[in-house]
Amino acid sequence: DIQMTQSPSSLSASVGDRITISCRASQNINIFLSWFQKKPGKAPNLLISAASTLQSGAPSRFSGSGSGTDFTLTISSLQPEDSATYYCQQSYRSWTFGQGTKVQIK
Amino acid sequence: EVQLVESGGGLVQPGGSLRLSCAASGFTFSRYWMTWVRQTPGKGLEWLANIKPDESEIHYAGSVEGRFTVSRDNAKNSLYLQMNSLSAEDTAVYNCVRLVAMVRGVLNIDTFDMWGQGTAVTVSS
Repeated sequence: DIQMTQSPSSLSASVGDRITISCRASQNINIFLSWFQKKPGKAPNLLISAASTLQSGAPSRFSGSGSGTDFTLTISSLQPEDSATYYCQQSYRSWTFGQGTKVQIK
Repeated sequence: EVQLVESGGGLVQPGGSLRLSCAASGFTFSRYWMTWVRQTPGKGLEWLANIKPDESEIHYAGSVEGRFTVSRDNAKNSLYLQMNSLSAEDTAVYNCVRLVAMVRGVLNIDTFDMWGQGTAVTVSS
């Protein structure tokens, strides 16, 4: 199985801050990488697919980068509504998720 | 509006069975691969099973193969998950998810573009 490791597991930042979340795959997954946002009591929401393609309707402050084994999700200017848990997911071989990064607003 | 609504969760005893349903609306259900994913506080998100539109291909995670069966009824726009031999480790929120392929050059990249809110399953005596 391909393991996905996210860091950090949680972070706290202020409104307007630029934050980055890292995701590392245990083997080369090309760009077979998606990012999801999950808020309590709500369905996960797809933000980015193919490592860097922003989904329709997702705010432009979200961006993704990377290929191979190392990927990054960036929020350019953190907003209060971005408080959530973020997950990466590979679809290169089967489908596995990272353990999540909880983002809190200071 | 594209919508996926799960039902059928609840409390079940260890060794018992449960059948989950997912009602799809707002899109042509018969054209899409569909997926079940579950979420637990301890293990996070876990992919469980996929089913092709015509049911000719089905894939399972090792943790549920032989115990869980995914099926669909395209006439009813519905997806199902039959869960047998349940244990405490199966306690989770179960989500119905639509799978789509994004074309990037020569690559077809799968992603889960639409999720239901989930139905909670608790396995306990």
